[in-house]
Amino acid sequence: DQQVKQNSPSLSVQEGRISILNCDYTNSMFDYFLWYKKYPAEGPTFLISISSIKDKNEDGRFTVFLNKSAKHLSLHIVPSQPGDSAVYFCAASAGNNNDMRFGAGTRLTVKP
Amino acid sequence: EAQVTQNPRYLITVTGKKLTVTCSQNMNHEYMSWYRQDPGLGLRQIYYSMNVEVTDKGDVPEGYKVSRKEKRNFPLILESPSPNQTSLYFCASRRGTASSGANVLTFGAGSRLTVL
Repeated sequence: DQQVKQNSPSLSVQEGRISILNCDYTNSMFDYFLWYKKYPAEGPTFLISISSIKDKNEDGRFTVFLNKSAKHLSLHIVPSQPGDSAVYFCAASAGNNNDMRFGAGTRLTVKP
Repeated sequence: EAQVTQNPRYLITVTGKKLTVTCSQNMNHEYMSWYRQDPGLGLRQIYYSMNVEVTDKGDVPEGYKVSRKEKRNFPLILESPSPNQTSLYFCASRRGTASSGANVLTFGAGSRLTVL
């Protein structure tokens, strides 16, 4: 069963606008959440993370929001740039659990 | 450069012909893991290793074997590949302790395997 879900397979936005990628999870034991970015023919690379003790973490143009009561997190990219076009994976883990669960990914396309 | 290296990057093989996908990391990471990526399913863990000679099953271990004889290497072995193992495979590593700051995985570039 998929404990981490990204329900939007794709998203298209205009350059300069905001991109919002969403992720839902079902396991209330998850306490650490990450976003990875993947370009074609490359492995996923770490983008940003958030601990369950926070509800927001910001790094430059990227901000991740966590709503624990809704078991939902989102990644905001402002402003979006064509170089942000990639597949974005949401991931979650619980404590010292060695099993990091990934969502199915959302393909973001930023149009010039 | 800190990296995880996988080989081969692309492979087409036939059912039943044993193959090995190698994975090597140069970051002295204790933890290594294999994932497969399939459309609509994201990344699913096959096997992981906490350290040398310590391996354990992930979500989808059937049809795969691993070994961890050295810290830097974590090969994935398909003893008798079948078409349902056609997939994109990623090796990843991180430091041993799964505290929040050490949860970040470093991934290899991927190995695309096709089993006919």
